[in-house]
Amino acid sequence: TQLLEQSPQFLSIQEGENLTVYCNSSSVFSSLQWYRQEPGEGPVLLVTVVTGGEVKKLKRLTFQFGDARKDSSLHITAAQPGDTGLYLCAGAGRAGGTSYGKLTFGQGTILTVHP
Amino acid sequence: EPEVTQTPSHQVTQMGQEVILRCVPISNHLYFYWYRQILGQKVEFLVSFYNNEISEKSEIFDDQFSVERPDGSNFTLKIRSTKLEDSAMYFCASSGLPTRPQETQYFGPGTRLLVL
Repeated sequence: TQLLEQSPQFLSIQEGENLTVYCNSSSVFSSLQWYRQEPGEGPVLLVTVVTGGEVKKLKRLTFQFGDARKDSSLHITAAQPGDTGLYLCAGAGRAGGTSYGKLTFGQGTILTVHP
Repeated sequence: EPEVTQTPSHQVTQMGQEVILRCVPISNHLYFYWYRQILGQKVEFLVSFYNNEISEKSEIFDDQFSVERPDGSNFTLKIRSTKLEDSAMYFCASSGLPTRPQETQYFGPGTRLLVL
């Protein structure tokens, strides 16, 4: 069974601070996706990382996939109140496998950015 | 921008009743999925569907559950005899362009199912 441990579970910071959310697993994933989920809504895709060591930037958000494709991080620079929300990481398939589906989700990080 | 849609947004049913949750995946996607999220818990995989058959299912997806693609656009999840513990948010997702099969999954807004 593949597991994805996401930390921290809760993060409360002041506007302008930086933060990092981590996702770790003992399993290798073929890709890793980061989502943001608002209450009562479906996960909305932020980014997909596929290659070990890959770094992707989305404005103030930086996503990194570990070299071994077992872990990933989300770094937010100069957080703003609009960044407040639930952030989810999800690993897809197994490296070298044929299954593209079955996303394994982390438990999520609830981020609160205070003005 | 294309999106996954789901109906109904909310469903309340009595224990033992059958429910059908409906989804319209993004057109020209090839892979379809159902996930569920019990309140306060992780999003959990239920089933994946490709080429008109189930390609993978979880332990949760027992004989009470079935999926179907009755026409070229809809993708349904049926729960034959609902139990209290089936109460959850159910998400449909789709992925996979013909030329890029290993593609990101896009999620619908969900159906909140409450079993009384």
